[in-house]
Amino acid sequence: QQQVKQSPQSLIVQKGGISIINCAYENTAFDYFPWYQQFPGKGPALLIAIRPDVSEKKEGRFTISFNKSAKQFSLHIMDSQPGDSATYFCAASIDSGAGSYQLTFGKGTKLSVIP
Amino acid sequence: GAGVSQSPSNKVTEKGKDVELRCDPISGHTALYWYRQRLGQGLEFLIYFQGNSAPDKSGLPSDRFSAERTGESVSTLTIQRTQQEDSAVYLCASSSQTGNEQFFGPGTRLTVL
Repeated sequence: QQQVKQSPQSLIVQKGGISIINCAYENTAFDYFPWYQQFPGKGPALLIAIRPDVSEKKEGRFTISFNKSAKQFSLHIMDSQPGDSATYFCAASIDSGAGSYQLTFGKGTKLSVIP
Repeated sequence: GAGVSQSPSNKVTEKGKDVELRCDPISGHTALYWYRQRLGQGLEFLIYFQGNSAPDKSGLPSDRFSAERTGESVSTLTIQRTQQEDSAVYLCASSSQTGNEQFFGPGTRLTVL
């Protein structure tokens, strides 16, 4: 059972456009929702994260929108640049009380920003 | 400071052999995670270490997989009697005790022939 579903699998955006990646989760106990960016041959790097007590978080060109009732969250990349071309993963975790924070990942979205 | 490092970066082995993968976490990070990333897939949680507490092994796919960690330093992931389906990138991450952010290493690409 896939607990975090991510779409689309791949995305092509023109330079300067808006990239939107969506994720849906099933487990209402999740309380931390990060987005990771991964370049080929590298490990994932944290991009931005949100907790369910806020509906939106913005950091520079990156915004997370969070809809708790729909159990959905999305990443918006404004003014997309060729350097943003990478694979993006949404994830979710639960503070188990023992501090595990193990992440459950979506399957990833390969973003290509074309000039 | 230095990030999470992993070795080797690539490992090719024959089916049935044992392999050992190493992770050096960020200094001072008490939590350490292992994940597996199959081609075109998201990361799958394998195991978690926190200080001297018992590890959370709930993600290990079979008893061929095991991991050790010495205190709050190096960790090794061992896969015994490797199978072709074990081929994947194995990623290690560490985090501070109080933080959610996990910092990932570059991974070890394992190929089982």
